[in-house]
Amino acid sequence: DAGVIQSPRHEVTEMGQEVTLRCKPISGHDYLFWYRQTMMRGLELLIYFNNNVPIDDSGMPEDRFSAKMPNASFSTLKIQPSEPRDSAVYFCASSFGGLAQHFGDGTRLSIL
Amino acid sequence: KQEVTQIPAALSVPEGENLVLNCSFTDSAIYNLQWFRQDPGKGLTSLLLIQSSQREQTSGRLNASLDKSSGRSTLYIAASQPGDSATYLCAGGYGNKLVFGAGTILRVKS
Repeated sequence: DAGVIQSPRHEVTEMGQEVTLRCKPISGHDYLFWYRQTMMRGLELLIYFNNNVPIDDSGMPEDRFSAKMPNASFSTLKIQPSEPRDSAVYFCASSFGGLAQHFGDGTRLSIL
Repeated sequence: KQEVTQIPAALSVPEGENLVLNCSFTDSAIYNLQWFRQDPGKGLTSLLLIQSSQREQTSGRLNASLDKSSGRSTLYIAASQPGDSATYLCAGGYGNKLVFGAGTILRVKS
């Protein structure tokens, strides 16, 4: 099993630029989660999908953040425009039936 | 508000010791409790998941317990090894949402 695949692994960009993070969940999993990890706030759930439908986006910090899941094998998290305080590690995770979540290796995002 | 707390924040032990990591949660209406391991620069690896109807789960040298009435879970690591050095996170499952603790940084000295 390939596991959850995220790209890019690292992203450095300037403030104001659009950032797109990508995730491929484990085949057959019906739940997909986006998290953000910072030293100050730890791991926070941003949004999750079930069968490609967004279920809970209450953790999305601002309208600058958006997430889509056009099909069962792909999801994106977009930040537009980006700000330095968005710098963090963003994780994608997937699960089957809402049980044990399996995480990708994350995208380390730095906004200058 | 659902909160998860982990104690201690950091722990250093000599190789071979048995150790216990603690996790407490404020909302006892928990669906499950999951323990993860995170290595530097890596994602989270799921170690054990305990359903709310269960008391404990075991995998190799790891044993996790869950006591909903007291709002606590423990992760027991037997015969620790240097390769066990990592950050250990517990997460309370509420529906499909996980609420994470801040983690315990474990260092096992050889």
